[in-house]
Amino acid sequence: DVKVTQSSRYLVKRTGEKVFLECVQDMDHENMFWYRQDPGLGLRLIYFSYDVKMKEKGDIPEGYSVSREKKERFSLILESASTNQTSMYLCASSPWTVPEAFFGQGTRLTVV
Amino acid sequence: GQQLNQSPQSMFIQEGEDVSMNCTSSSIFNTWLWYKQDPGEGPVLLIALYKAGELTSNGRLTAQFGITRKDSFLNISASIPSDVGIYFCAGQQIQGAQKLVFGQGTRLTINP
Repeated sequence: DVKVTQSSRYLVKRTGEKVFLECVQDMDHENMFWYRQDPGLGLRLIYFSYDVKMKEKGDIPEGYSVSREKKERFSLILESASTNQTSMYLCASSPWTVPEAFFGQGTRLTVV
Repeated sequence: GQQLNQSPQSMFIQEGEDVSMNCTSSSIFNTWLWYKQDPGEGPVLLIALYKAGELTSNGRLTAQFGITRKDSFLNISASIPSDVGIYFCAGQQIQGAQKLVFGQGTRLTINP
């Protein structure tokens, strides 16, 4: 069974903290993605990676960075968390050959 | 970044009714995908469409890739309580580009 696993289901962080969201996939997929989901806005792409150490900005990269040191792992970093980054964060992966993305269960982040 | 126009935003129906939702864009898409998200979970792929005009079924679900390549439809027949959730359309714009563009979602509520 294919799996994308996010390290936390729920997180509460303070404003100004550095936050790490981790994602691991076991499908040997080349592509990995980080989205945020807010009511009425759907899924918006923050960053994606098509190979180890490669990354590209999505539609809303400001305030975020990413790291992909190993093929199976893609980390999202909030350098200095702010309250407007309170959201549901979804990690996904897909193979190089087709765009069908598999999603993790999501991390609901609250910044107070 | 571009988003797809998905409608309706929400639906309240009786159990047993049929459901229709659609996604439109001003741009051409090469692939259309439909996802379902259960409360508190990540989206799960329901149907993938790769050819203009293609009509594909998955149980009670039927989806079509519009002939103009600018729209897609999802129908659910004889709805049941477990159909409750948020349905997202997603499209791939450029062949070989692995990014997906998502609609805002349709929230389906079913009255038993």
